[in-house]
Amino acid sequence: DAKTTQPNSMESNEEEPVHLPCNHSTISGTDYIHWYRQLPSQGPEYVIHGLTSNVNNRMASLAIAEDRKSSTLILHRATLRDAAVYYCILINDYKLSFGAGTTVTVRA
Amino acid sequence: DADVTQTPRNRITKTGKRIMLECSQTKGHDRMYWYRQDPGLGLRLIYYSFDVKDINKGEISDGYSVSRQAQAKFSLSLESAIPNQTALYFCATSFGRSTDTQYFGPGTRLTVL
Repeated sequence: DAKTTQPNSMESNEEEPVHLPCNHSTISGTDYIHWYRQLPSQGPEYVIHGLTSNVNNRMASLAIAEDRKSSTLILHRATLRDAAVYYCILINDYKLSFGAGTTVTVRA
Repeated sequence: DADVTQTPRNRITKTGKRIMLECSQTKGHDRMYWYRQDPGLGLRLIYYSFDVKDINKGEISDGYSVSRQAQAKFSLSLESAIPNQTALYFCATSFGRSTDTQYFGPGTRLTVL
């Protein structure tokens, strides 16, 4: 299975943007890039996904490199409720392979 | 009401006991999954089911069994619980396409003494 590499942790101030990088150098042409997050004491929740083009939704934006070997999740204005573990996952079948993710801390 | 529910939410049991964790969903999804999460780690897939008659092992199925009683219900059993099965267990569901979003339940915290 293709793997992803994320920083262990990142900190941000409230109302500032957060850029979460993810490397996936062994990505295949059919792998989708998904992002989930897990708030404290909750199950993971879907954030966004993409294949080749950049994507935006109400929660975040996903910027995908042209060679698809890396991507960046962008939280435009971090709030305290965005403090969570963020997982970057490659998927081309049902399997979600979760690594340790990036723990995001938001300072008030 | 939550779309994916898990019962119990917390359970403490002793080594050797049989434990069943239950998952129900109202999303109408065909696919259901069981994951476990250990402290500081990501989730690992235990079992998954694409429909009532289809059950498949995940990456860590040893020591676990499952039952898909209906489209909406998927149970995970530990036939003889052991301490290293102490973990947080999550149920998830999705539509039929392989890259569809998975929707997770709130989790069951299981402690095996």
